[in-house]
Amino acid sequence: SQQGEEDPQALSIQEGENATMNCSYKTSINNLQWYRQNSGRGLVHLILIRSNEREKHSGRLRVTLDTSKKSSSLLITASRAADTASYFCATDAIGSSNTGKLIFGQGTTLQVKP
Amino acid sequence: DTAVSQTPKYLVTQMGNDKSIKCEQNLGHDTMYWYKQDSKKFLKIMFSYNNKELIINETVPNRFSPKSPDKAHLNLHINSLELGDSAVYFCASSQDRQINTEAFFGQGTRLTVV
Repeated sequence: SQQGEEDPQALSIQEGENATMNCSYKTSINNLQWYRQNSGRGLVHLILIRSNEREKHSGRLRVTLDTSKKSSSLLITASRAADTASYFCATDAIGSSNTGKLIFGQGTTLQVKP
Repeated sequence: DTAVSQTPKYLVTQMGNDKSIKCEQNLGHDTMYWYKQDSKKFLKIMFSYNNKELIINETVPNRFSPKSPDKAHLNLHINSLELGDSAVYFCASSQDRQINTEAFFGQGTRLTVV
């Protein structure tokens, strides 16, 4: 069954604003990852947060993880038109260990208007 | 110096045909994957190989047969193509299948069965 649910499904903001996307999952995890997919392209890894971490930063990206609520959020600060893409969370579920299997959420489509 | 490359990028074929998609990674990774992305952008794992050994087969029809001649290559052969096989197929690799599961994706192959 699908592991991740993302919210919202679509988000439209103005350049310079912050964008927040949320991801919920169902089972215990080893880690959670966020990926970006530009239209017609492959997925690009953004950030990985392990189950014993609560927050992680990478440039304009901030990811939080709440294992008690089985949820994560991705915050993009000071958004740019180039951030327009679909964003996916992916989990490496306990029980899937030693397989590398990632279970993806349905994605959030972000549009940043210039 | 593309990290994960797959060919072809587009594939249009008739029902009943047999087709192959090739994938190569030059990252020295041990683990390679095939994912399928449907029209709603939902990504699901199909196969995983580790050092040429099949690790995951996610109840994919027998018409799909992956082949890994060496750990840098993972090809996907599809027999008797059906309309429902139309999707974007992504090859990916990760350093390993336990800790370093950050996945690097190819550009995708958009398969259209008519």
